[in-house]
Amino acid sequence: GQNIDQPTEMTATEGAIVQINCTYQTSGFNGLFWYQQHAGEAPTFLSYNVLDGLEEKGRFSSFLSRSKGYSYLLLKELQMKDSASYLCAVSSQNRDDKIIFGKGTRLHILP
Amino acid sequence: EAQVTQNPRYLITVTGKKLTVTCSQNMNHEYMSWYRQDPGLGLRQIYYSMNVEVTDKGDVPEGYKVSRKEKRNFPLILESPSPNQTSLYFCASQGAFNQPQHFGDGTRLSIL
Repeated sequence: GQNIDQPTEMTATEGAIVQINCTYQTSGFNGLFWYQQHAGEAPTFLSYNVLDGLEEKGRFSSFLSRSKGYSYLLLKELQMKDSASYLCAVSSQNRDDKIIFGKGTRLHILP
Repeated sequence: EAQVTQNPRYLITVTGKKLTVTCSQNMNHEYMSWYRQDPGLGLRQIYYSMNVEVTDKGDVPEGYKVSRKEKRNFPLILESPSPNQTSLYFCASQGAFNQPQHFGDGTRLSIL
């Protein structure tokens, strides 16, 4: 079956850097997505990785290692508005490309 | 503006009274999904559609029905709602498996 693990909560300080990890087990890996979700709002897309390596997009970067079933989301120069939940999601071709979400990591930013 | 529209945004109803949550997208996307989100459980897929007239069960389909008669619409039907279906529901659309999902604003359902 599929399984996605990420920490439940993390705390970091404004201006700092934080790394949110995600490990997954799946067959027929088709790509990994990261989404941001503010409380009470819809998730919004941050990044997509299908090949090993680092994808950088402004203050946010995402890394993937397919052999280790591991990804992380790196947030730099943290701002108070980055306080949100971060969702890791995996697509599997063995499940007709359905996407499975992890339970999310709630990130608290302290001033 | 590209968007996914869900209605209603909020609904309080009673056990057993059939209800439908509508979802419409204007991006000509093939893929559409329904999710429910509960504290501590994250987003769980209810149903999934890869194209018109093609639907498939997700991880928690019991008590729900869907239809995909047109590409843009993907309604979620609760024939006989029960209190354990009280949740926050999201509809999402996706152009292809390697493209991001676009989510509606959510529907908060309370079943008394």
